[in-house]
Amino acid sequence: GQNIDQPTEMTATEGAIVQINCTYQTSGFNGLFWYQQHAGEAPTFLSYNVLDGLEEKGRFSSFLSRSKGYSYLLLKELQMKDSASYLCAVRDSNYQLIWGAGTKLIIKP
Amino acid sequence: GAVVSQHPSRVICKSGTSVKIECRSLDFQATTMFWYRQFPKQSLMLMATSNEGSKATYEQGVEKDKFLINHASLTLSTLTVTSAHPEDSSFYICSARGYGEGNSGRTKETQYFGPGTRLLVL
Repeated sequence: GQNIDQPTEMTATEGAIVQINCTYQTSGFNGLFWYQQHAGEAPTFLSYNVLDGLEEKGRFSSFLSRSKGYSYLLLKELQMKDSASYLCAVRDSNYQLIWGAGTKLIIKP
Repeated sequence: GAVVSQHPSRVICKSGTSVKIECRSLDFQATTMFWYRQFPKQSLMLMATSNEGSKATYEQGVEKDKFLINHASLTLSTLTVTSAHPEDSSFYICSARGYGEGNSGRTKETQYFGPGTRLLVL
């Protein structure tokens, strides 16, 4: 079956760095997405990786290793507004998005 | 950047009535749109995939006669919840496949989400 694993919840301190991991087992691979979702709102796009390596975008970076079925989202200089759920999604061979359950990130002052 | 709008943002209706939710891609043409449902504290669940001009493809367990999807143009898809019941109360989110700017200016295909519609059936 297809499976996306990410931690349920993480806590970090304002100004610090946090890494949210995502491992996947899917039928085929056509890219991995990270989305941010604040409570009560729709997800917003953060990053897309299809090749191995690190993609940097301001305070957020995303890493992919296809051979390991592994990705992480790195958030630097954490701000209180970064408190949200972070969803990892993989596009499989049928171009369907397979979603992880999301990681709730709690930022403390 | 690519924007998707959804209307209405919130709707309360009586059991047995039908509710129509519109999803529009505002500045790009979306040949494929997706409808998701999300219950509180749960992940997104894909309901159906709609391609412009053809019938929607429904996920297993989703009743196509209850959740009518129409994708009449490249910028508009609608979801109609027919004869809604309290168990249909949920957060419905549409998504459109489009192209956005990735790192280093490269164009990447991605999915853009509408703001969602919160449906409460009494």
